[in-house]
Amino acid sequence: NAGVTQTPKFQVLKTGQSMTLQCAQDMNHEYMSWYRQDPGMGLRLIHYSVGAGITDQGEVPNGYNVSRSTTEDFPLRLLSAAPSQTSVYFCASSYSYGASYNSPLHFGNGTRLTVT
Amino acid sequence: RKEVEQDPGPFNVPEGATVAFNCTYSNSASQSFFWYRQDCRKEPKLLMSVYSSGNEDGRFTAQLNRASQYISLLIRDSKLSDSATYLCVVISGGYNKLIFGAGTRLAVHP
Repeated sequence: NAGVTQTPKFQVLKTGQSMTLQCAQDMNHEYMSWYRQDPGMGLRLIHYSVGAGITDQGEVPNGYNVSRSTTEDFPLRLLSAAPSQTSVYFCASSYSYGASYNSPLHFGNGTRLTVT
Repeated sequence: RKEVEQDPGPFNVPEGATVAFNCTYSNSASQSFFWYRQDCRKEPKLLMSVYSSGNEDGRFTAQLNRASQYISLLIRDSKLSDSATYLCVVISGGYNKLIFGAGTRLAVHP
């Protein structure tokens, strides 16, 4: 059982480049989300999806796009990378959108992105 | 004021010590509470949920105080393997309303 799989683990981009961070889960989870984690701050929600074909913005969506064409995949696209997007990115999923003790969030192992 | 606040630490304790962390939250409508553990350069993993009546899982005890709007995590008989950052998580709706604290770092030494 792979759980939540993120690729790549590390990436270095130059300012202005674009790229896609991949996220896939094999648990048939309805809810998927992307977070970024910066030093001294809690994880912040970028975008989320409550099911295939449905996406919405989180707290810090600017500079990022997402799509959810299948239940399993939720890629995050950086349109034109900026140094402020240097961060650690985590994908997370849950069986249901409604937060509950029976349906915790499962995280991928993260992507460390550096933009120079 | 941050919605969820934690003492960043680090808490440096010897093996066998008892250590407690608090986490305060500002939204009185918050409904669900969790503690996650994050090892260095790894993803967060659920440690335990926090129930209204308080709950225990082995050496770990979590408590919720709605009146004062804080949750706590108590670790008894600390092990070296408990060294990690502990993230407080508060939810006031669906998972899109989940707020993470910045984390409290614990270092257990021999």
